[in-house]
Amino acid sequence: DAGVTQSPTHLIKTRGQQVTLRCSPKSGHDTVSWYQQALGQGPQFIFQYYEEEERQRGNFPDRFSGHQFPNYSSELNVNALLLGDSALYLCASSFQDRANQPQHFGDGTRLSIL
Amino acid sequence: AQSVSQHNHHVILSEAASLELGCNYSYGGTVNLFWYVQYPGQHLQLLLKYFSGDPLVKGIKGFEAEFIKSKFSFNLRKPSVQWSDTAEYFCAVTGSTNAGKSTFGDGTTLTVKP
Repeated sequence: DAGVTQSPTHLIKTRGQQVTLRCSPKSGHDTVSWYQQALGQGPQFIFQYYEEEERQRGNFPDRFSGHQFPNYSSELNVNALLLGDSALYLCASSFQDRANQPQHFGDGTRLSIL
Repeated sequence: AQSVSQHNHHVILSEAASLELGCNYSYGGTVNLFWYVQYPGQHLQLLLKYFSGDPLVKGIKGFEAEFIKSKFSFNLRKPSVQWSDTAEYFCAVTGSTNAGKSTFGDGTTLTVKP
């Protein structure tokens, strides 16, 4: 049973560029959440997708956008990259209607902005 | 706004010492509580969770945590740590109706000396 998979593992971009990160949820899960984990901090909630719509959003600017596909996989897009966007980006999946079951996390994508 | 506070940023122990990591949360409603562990180079893994019932919960690898509602606390304990417990530990909270939006603390780095 495949867990949460993310790609790519590492990415280096320069300021002003755009980036797309990808996530495949654990088999059977229908909800994908994205988190940003800066160095020395805990993961910060970016947004959550369910039924191909953004359902909740954390305190992140509109430069951060996402998408969920019919097969439940998801993308995170970040435009106009800033140095402060350097972080580990985590994808987590869960069941929308089973709040008593925890999320499963992927290994993350390490994004470095030069 | 919901928040999680982990009191210890870095804990250093010798093998066989007892461990207690503090976690306090602020949340307006019924909560689910989690402890995750992140070993070097690995993804976040669930140590244990509390949803309801017995406030003393047992997790993997000999860890346990106690939910004290009156103190808004969910402290993690282990009677005797091992070198292999060296990792970063995160406390997290979700609302009882949404498993996909977690608020994390900033983590505690545990170093166990052999």
